[in-house]
Amino acid sequence: GNSVTQMEGPVTLSEEAFLTINCTYTATGYPSLFWYVQYPGEGLQLLLKATKADDKGSNKGFEATYRKETTSFHLEKGSVQVSDSAVYFCALSSSGGGADGLTFGKGTHLIIQP
Amino acid sequence: SQTIHQWPATLVQPVGSPLSLECTVEGTSNPNLYWYRQAAGRGLQLLFYSVGIGQISSEVPQNLSASRPQDRQFILSSKKLLLSDSGFYLCAWRFGRLATGELFFGEGSRLTVL
Repeated sequence: GNSVTQMEGPVTLSEEAFLTINCTYTATGYPSLFWYVQYPGEGLQLLLKATKADDKGSNKGFEATYRKETTSFHLEKGSVQVSDSAVYFCALSSSGGGADGLTFGKGTHLIIQP
Repeated sequence: SQTIHQWPATLVQPVGSPLSLECTVEGTSNPNLYWYRQAAGRGLQLLFYSVGIGQISSEVPQNLSASRPQDRQFILSSKKLLLSDSGFYLCAWRFGRLATGELFFGEGSRLTVL
């Protein structure tokens, strides 16, 4: 079956540091890939997505590239801010056309210190 | 534009009591609807999904149930809560015609069973 693996953390960085959160996946076919962000006590918000190999998703300074050869979708940001502190989830959707939602990683807790 | 609302936001219930969480979507028709549970340190677990009125698929056997009495309404219920039902419950929707598209999440409902 499908699965997503990501570092769980917590990952602690100083403000303006470079961020990488690794995400690798296992899936059949050609899934779509997503990054979601969850702030404390809130639901998940879509951060960015990519629907085919070599696509780059980007939003709010974050970006991730769909790498089929390494089955990866690592999240990066050049200069993080305190407001980026949150939990980040990598996810994929089945390419088989099923309606059974997304498969999520366990989430990476990111803490940015001023 | 589309919106999703779920309530109540916070709930404290004794063991053995009933549960009803409600979710509604506005601004779209025939959405796919989902209930996820997020337990501490365990990521997101898909509980139920629905592709239409009265159509419910269960992903995990448990003492919870779901119903979809109207096109844009999704209800999560239990007749008798267990301690292990505590968690953060998230409702989500997706465009019905896009089986591989992103999910849009509600604000979440925090359930504590004592």
